[in-house]
Amino acid sequence: EPEVTQTPSHQVTQMGQEVILRCVPISNHLYFYWYRQILGQKVEFLVSFYNNEISEKSEIFDDQFSVERPDGSNFTLKIRSTKLEDSAMYFCASSEFDNRSFGPGTRLTVT
Amino acid sequence: GNSVTQMEGPVTLSEEAFLTINCTYTATGYPSLFWYVQYPGEGLQLLLKATKADDKGSNKGFEATYRKETTSFHLEKGSVQVSDSAVYFCALSVDSGYALNFGKGTSLLVTP
Repeated sequence: EPEVTQTPSHQVTQMGQEVILRCVPISNHLYFYWYRQILGQKVEFLVSFYNNEISEKSEIFDDQFSVERPDGSNFTLKIRSTKLEDSAMYFCASSEFDNRSFGPGTRLTVT
Repeated sequence: GNSVTQMEGPVTLSEEAFLTINCTYTATGYPSLFWYVQYPGEGLQLLLKATKADDKGSNKGFEATYRKETTSFHLEKGSVQVSDSAVYFCALSVDSGYALNFGKGTSLLVTP
């Protein structure tokens, strides 16, 4: 069964550095998403992407964040200047219609 | 706005006990409703879903019925196993491709 994959599984970075989290969605899916989960808290929506543009974003997704689909397979989340409070598990997801498939997540630790 | 409220955990049950995890929602329009499960150290997996009123989603012995009149989508299982220990998230989406709004999650621990 096809799966969403994410790399790296764990990323440690210093405050102020840029990070890029990578995702490979399921190949025939049309919608792509990023969510995050701060340790012990609920899963929060960041952004959805469809037809090569952002279709919806939350208040969390400010100017520090950007997404890109640089080729036909990858979907990336860039955080330009990381803050301590960006430490979280970041989940990528994709869907054809309603059934979102989530990746295993990237744990981002900002020190 | 759209939101989901779940019962607070953790919930601790003995094996073969009956499970109910309550979930209520607030939404404009007619959302689709979901239960996701997160096993320790893993990502989110779709457990079941329902897309319209009175639909029942079911999977792996778990069930939930979309109740529009009470705006609820309670998760139930007749006989839990140790392997069901996980965090369960209720969620809603107002349309395909739109954000999933998650509840805070309910941690379930099943003891032998």
